[in-house]
Amino acid sequence: SQQGEEDPQALSIQEGENATMNCSYKTSINNLQWYRQNSGRGLVHLILIRSNEREKHSGRLRVTLDTSKKSSSLLITASRAADTASYFCATAGYSGAGSYQLTFGKGTKLSVIP
Amino acid sequence: EAQVTQNPRYLITVTGKKLTVTCSQNMNHEYMSWYRQDPGLGLRQIYYSMNVEVTDKGDVPEGYKVSRKEKRNFPLILESPSPNQTSLYFCASSPAAGNEKLFFGSGTQLSVL
Repeated sequence: SQQGEEDPQALSIQEGENATMNCSYKTSINNLQWYRQNSGRGLVHLILIRSNEREKHSGRLRVTLDTSKKSSSLLITASRAADTASYFCATAGYSGAGSYQLTFGKGTKLSVIP
Repeated sequence: EAQVTQNPRYLITVTGKKLTVTCSQNMNHEYMSWYRQDPGLGLRQIYYSMNVEVTDKGDVPEGYKVSRKEKRNFPLILESPSPNQTSLYFCASSPAAGNEKLFFGSGTQLSVL
């Protein structure tokens, strides 16, 4: 398994501040994805970054990928109370047998205080 | 509306009573997967399927079965449920294996007594 690990496990910030979450992984990947989950509900895809990309933006989200350090970060700028959720990174790649797997980390729980 | 539909949303059962959680997607996706989510453990992959009649074990397949007889359906079968299978289960799909995002169902909260 090439499960990513998020850091920190929990993060509490004031509305308007930026939130940064990190993800580290151990094996080579095809791409890395970030997902958001509101309490107990299905995950929603936020952004996908390919292994040959270094940075990607989507609205208030900025994702970076450093394959040499096997790490990624998710930055949410100007956070809002509605950003309160758990955020997961998922690493995607092919196993030796050619099967494709997308494996998730344990997540970062973000609380944005109004 | 494009979606992944799981049923039931909640299920309480007893040890040993066979059950099936259904998953259906209406997006003609090739890749489908089942995950379980437990506190402190994140999401762990149970089984996945890269296409019809092609299934493979994920990280925690013990105690589960799947089938992929049609493209749209990917049921999860628990032949003899045990209390350690109490969990929140998610089905997900994507157009193909590769650089594609996953679409998730709403989840099935299973309690095995």
